[in-house]
Amino acid sequence: EAQVTQNPRYLITVTGKKLTVTCSQNMNHEYMSWYRQDPGLGLRQIYYSMNVEVTDKGDVPEGYKVSRKEKRNFPLILESPSPNQTSLYFCASRTGGEYYGYTFGSGTRLTVV
Amino acid sequence: GQSLEQPSEVTAVEGAIVQINCTYQTSGFYGLSWYQQHDGGAPTFLSYNALDGLEETGRFSSFLSRSDSYGYLLLQELQMKDSASYFCAVNRGSTLGRLYFGRGTQLTVWP
Repeated sequence: EAQVTQNPRYLITVTGKKLTVTCSQNMNHEYMSWYRQDPGLGLRQIYYSMNVEVTDKGDVPEGYKVSRKEKRNFPLILESPSPNQTSLYFCASRTGGEYYGYTFGSGTRLTVV
Repeated sequence: GQSLEQPSEVTAVEGAIVQINCTYQTSGFYGLSWYQQHDGGAPTFLSYNALDGLEETGRFSSFLSRSDSYGYLLLQELQMKDSASYFCAVNRGSTLGRLYFGRGTQLTVWP
């Protein structure tokens, strides 16, 4: 089944403790992206990647890191999480064809206390 | 900067037609996308317009006017399962990866 898989689904952590949210896609998509969703703010793009070793900032990159060493994986790293990074995070991927959209993972609900 | 404006809420009854408008202000506009998200779920892609005009996909249609920086999503023959949030999103620049979302419209369909 074609899908984007992100783990974990739920995570509670403490301020300052480094964490990684994994994301993997099995559709051989070129593009991958991370979004955060907060009530009333919609989806905001954190980082995106156009292919292996090619990444760029989205609208809210501060406090996050990404890497794209393999085409299928695009982990999101929070080196020193803070409470304002408590949010619902979505990983997504898409092909390069213009009339195709992003396929989203099921989401990771992160709470930083 | 950029902005996307869409109504926060829309309500309608089963079988009706509803239109969700989206106006945008952005540099490097490339195209307008629409996504649907049910409560607790992941967003799913509905449609994309790069050129002026109407794109139809079953009960859903999407329209774009580049000169007016305006688009809309039209949902026909509404069903209860269409109750969800709908987001317009702008593809910016020459890279298809760059996607900026509006704040979403909560559609409630009543029986």
